[in-house]
Amino acid sequence: EPEVTQTPSHQVTQMGQEVILRCVPISNHLYFYWYRQILGQKVEFLVSFYNNEISEKSEIFDDQFSVERPDGSNFTLKIRSTKLEDSAMYFCASTEDLLYGYTFGSGTRLTVV
Amino acid sequence: DAKTTQPTSMDCAEGRAANLPCNHSTISGNEYVYWYRQIHSQGPQYIIHGLKNNETNEMASLIITEDRKSSTLILPHATLRDTAVYYCIRGGHAGKSTFGDGTTLTVKP
Repeated sequence: EPEVTQTPSHQVTQMGQEVILRCVPISNHLYFYWYRQILGQKVEFLVSFYNNEISEKSEIFDDQFSVERPDGSNFTLKIRSTKLEDSAMYFCASTEDLLYGYTFGSGTRLTVV
Repeated sequence: DAKTTQPTSMDCAEGRAANLPCNHSTISGNEYVYWYRQIHSQGPQYIIHGLKNNETNEMASLIITEDRKSSTLILPHATLRDTAVYYCIRGGHAGKSTFGDGTTLTVKP
């Protein structure tokens, strides 16, 4: 069964450093998403991406965040200057159609120290 | 604001049907009801979705009331591996799914 692949599974970074989280969505999917989940809290929507541009973003997704689909297969989330409160699980998801369910990756655990 | 209401937790005996309710009384006519689950800290897993009619797939059944104000996810023969947090979500062409607190289902031997 097709999967959404996320790398790395765990990343530790120092506060103020830039991090890039990587995702390979399912190949025929057109809509891409990033979510995050702080330990013990809800899954929170960050951003949706379609046709090489952001279609929607939450208030969490401020100027420190950016997304890119650099090569037609990868979908990346960049955090420019990490803060302690950015520590969370980050999930990538994709779907073929807005009315279908999303397929989520297994996540990247980001720890900012 | 997830716009759905679910019980915080439920228990179910292994092998029995698990019936998970969801209230979405303000759902609009073109919004679907989606169900996902999350096991431990894994990524959420899509289960099923529907608009008006009842739906069934290899994982579960979804019963939607005629007025569409509530729905029930049915796991017909729950196993220990079905222990998870189950999320009921409204969505559609808006293009994003907003997760609430969900229902923690514990399947007991």
